[in-house]
Amino acid sequence: GDSVTQMEGPVTLSEEACLTINCTYTATGYPSLFWYVQYPGEGLQLLLKATKADDKGSNKGFEATYRKETTSFHLEKGSVQVSDSAVYFCALSDAYNQGGKLIFGQGTELSVKP
Amino acid sequence: DAGITQSPRHKVTETGTPVTLRCHQTENHRYMYWYRQDPGHGLRLIHYSYGVKDTDKGEVSDGYSVSRSKTEDFLLTLESATSSQTSVYFCAISEDTSAKNIQYFGAGTRLSVL
Repeated sequence: GDSVTQMEGPVTLSEEACLTINCTYTATGYPSLFWYVQYPGEGLQLLLKATKADDKGSNKGFEATYRKETTSFHLEKGSVQVSDSAVYFCALSDAYNQGGKLIFGQGTELSVKP
Repeated sequence: DAGITQSPRHKVTETGTPVTLRCHQTENHRYMYWYRQDPGHGLRLIHYSYGVKDTDKGEVSDGYSVSRSKTEDFLLTLESATSSQTSVYFCAISEDTSAKNIQYFGAGTRLSVL
């Protein structure tokens, strides 16, 4: 079945460092891809999304490009801030699979130090 | 923020007791989902609903039941709680299941089964 694999955390960076969180997926159809972020004690919030190959999602300085040839959707940011400390989830959604359920990676915890 | 309220936010219960978690939405979205979040697993779908009285199972539905008697309310019941059901439970809502589907999440319910 469909699946998502993320790089394991935790990831610890200094403020203003570059961030890459790897995400690869396996899907039989043509899924949409998402990055969600979870701040401590809160629910998940959509960070960005891409609905077809070569689409680039972006928000709050984060970017990810839907790469069908490598089945990847890596999250990148050029300069992280302390406020970016959170858990990041890569996910896919297939409209024809169980009501469009989201299939999540295991999450990557990011800690940014001043 | 999407109008999603989960109650209770925290609950401690004993093995063998019934537990009901409530998700209430004010967005009039058709689709509602229950996920559980566990370390190393990301979020996994328990059950979902595609309309009043219309529900279906997700990948980890054993030991759980759901009901949806009104558009705005989706209840998750643990008939006889077990320690393996200790988890954080998230409700999500969605307008549709198209490829652009975005799910909005509640703040979560932390359940401990002793």
